[in-house]
Amino acid sequence: DAMVIQNPRYQVTQFGKPVTLSCSQTLNHNVMYWYQQKSSQAPKLLFHYYDKDFNNEADTPDNFQSRRPNTSFCFLDIRSPGLGDAAMYLCATSRETSGIAKNIQYFGAGTRLSVL
Amino acid sequence: AQSVTQLGSHVSVSEGALVLLRCNYSSSVPPYLFWYVQYPNQGLQLLLKYTSAATLVKGINGFEAEFKKSETSFHLTKPSAHMSDAAEYFCAVSEDYGGSQGNLIFGKGTKLSVKP
Repeated sequence: DAMVIQNPRYQVTQFGKPVTLSCSQTLNHNVMYWYQQKSSQAPKLLFHYYDKDFNNEADTPDNFQSRRPNTSFCFLDIRSPGLGDAAMYLCATSRETSGIAKNIQYFGAGTRLSVL
Repeated sequence: AQSVTQLGSHVSVSEGALVLLRCNYSSSVPPYLFWYVQYPNQGLQLLLKYTSAATLVKGINGFEAEFKKSETSFHLTKPSAHMSDAAEYFCAVSEDYGGSQGNLIFGKGTKLSVKP
């Protein structure tokens, strides 16, 4: 009964080779988030979608893009991965963007990205 | 600007002992406060949340936290540690802009080890 599913769990890519991480949800939530979490650090928000509206954090590098083709799916595209992009990438959902429900977020298990 | 400080990146307790994980926040407006738990190779799971109602908040798995405005703290406690509590714990804050919430800001996390 997994609610937020991330695939794959582990991804290895080469320096500069584009990679796509996938997230799907069965909660029918409006909002989907992507976080980057480096080793022993806090999760850092990259961007989020409210329905089809894309909201980028100011300090998210252009190298990171996202797509949300429908309510259930959201993708993280890294156009040219560098060694510094090796991290755990977490997808999360929430029901709303206002009220306390905004920050009751449901997380997937994450995709650990390695860059060789 | 809001921020979260978690004192102690690693806490070790014996099974059956009190668990105390410290969190201090900085916020210019009334905050919402959260504790999330992350088990190895998993995403984050909400433990409990403070939303300006009762200052003592009870969460899942026997954890609770107390909001102390005068100390700007939101420490997490559990009377008796269990081996299954071994995980990383993140404190997070978001700001209440009168019905609209800012994004979650996470602390750096505290890794809890439980010794038999």
